[in-house]
Amino acid sequence: NAGVTQTPKFRVLKTGQSMTLLCAQDMNHEYMYWYRQDPGMGLRLIHYSVGEGTTAKGEVPDGYNVSRLKKQNFLLGLESAAPSQTSVYFCASSYRVSGINEQFFGPGTRLTVL
Amino acid sequence: RKEVEQDPGPFNVPEGATVAFNCTYSNSASQSFFWYRQDCRKEPKLLMSVYSSGNEDGRFTAQLNRASQYISLLIRDSKLSDSATYLCVVNIGDDYKLSFGAGTTVTVRA
Repeated sequence: NAGVTQTPKFRVLKTGQSMTLLCAQDMNHEYMYWYRQDPGMGLRLIHYSVGEGTTAKGEVPDGYNVSRLKKQNFLLGLESAAPSQTSVYFCASSYRVSGINEQFFGPGTRLTVL
Repeated sequence: RKEVEQDPGPFNVPEGATVAFNCTYSNSASQSFFWYRQDCRKEPKLLMSVYSSGNEDGRFTAQLNRASQYISLLIRDSKLSDSATYLCVVNIGDDYKLSFGAGTTVTVRA
């Protein structure tokens, strides 16, 4: 099993450009998440999904959109990138089991917006 | 106020030493608690869950103090491989959402 994979691993964008980050998991997890991690701050939840076809806003959703058309994939879109979106983006997934919430993370995408 | 706060460190300790650090959380309704480990420029991985009665996993001991709203992690007999950032993670409300602290960095030197 590959676990959680993310594409791409690195990207440099210019302000105003758009891009999509792809997250894929092969563990049949119900829940999937997108986080961003900035220096000195904890991981902050951008958007999450509790099942195929569903998405919800997290703590810092502005400037991002997501889609979960297939259970195994969770896409994060930046429509018009801004320098404030320079960050490391992590995707994660977890089982739907009450009281147990180990989240499995992908290797991250390092995004720089110039 | 942040939901989860940690001393960022770094804690620099020699091999074989014991190191301990805490994390505080603000929401008294928090249900579940975890320590995750994150190596430099890598993804976080679950180290251990934290139970009300406290629990051990080899050289690692986690404690929960609900009255004072903090959890702790103690590492005994530190190894070079323990050098990492340790993230305090708290579940608040819905089972599937976690709040992460910014992390405590531990560096173990030979």
